[in-house]
Amino acid sequence: DAKTTQPNSMESNEEEPVHLPCNHSTISGTDYIHWYRQLPSQGPEYVIHGLTSNVNNRMASLAIAEDRKSSTLILHRATLRDAAVYYCILRDPSNYQLIWGAGTKLIIKP
Amino acid sequence: GAVVSQHPSRVICKSGTSVKIECRSLDFQATTMFWYRQFPKQSLMLMATSNEGSKATYEQGVEKDKFLINHASLTLSTLTVTSAHPEDSSFYICSARVPTNEKLFFGSGTQLSVL
Repeated sequence: DAKTTQPNSMESNEEEPVHLPCNHSTISGTDYIHWYRQLPSQGPEYVIHGLTSNVNNRMASLAIAEDRKSSTLILHRATLRDAAVYYCILRDPSNYQLIWGAGTKLIIKP
Repeated sequence: GAVVSQHPSRVICKSGTSVKIECRSLDFQATTMFWYRQFPKQSLMLMATSNEGSKATYEQGVEKDKFLINHASLTLSTLTVTSAHPEDSSFYICSARVPTNEKLFFGSGTQLSVL
């Protein structure tokens, strides 16, 4: 399974944009890039996913590098409720298992 | 969005007893459900994949006789931790896949504490 690498933690100020990076240099041509987040003592929550093109939804934007070896999750205006562990995961389309890395703990400062 | 309900949210039991955790898809039919466990400050670890009407597929190192998974209907999967011991104490999470949808939906998790 292809692996992802993320910083252990990041800090940001409330109301400012946040860029969460993810490296996935061994990604295959058909792997989807998923982002989930997990608040303390809760199950993960879907954030966004993409394959090749940049994606936007009401929660975030996903910017995918042209060579697909890295991607960035963008929270346009962070709030205290966005404090969570963010996981960048590659999904092999031949199965629907998600192999979870360590994720990035996002700390939002008021 | 799709909702996955997981119960109980917290359970405390004595060593040697069995505990059943339920995972229900409330507004969709889930052909595939996944079970994870998570230790404090660690990431999720996939335990098994269950498909409706067939036997679960367990990940390497997960004892299938200890962690019984039943996926008898398209909306319900259960995980039974048999003869639980303190080392089984963990946060257990289920997720369900919506057919033709790339997303996975997760339950809120079950904190199991074995005394």
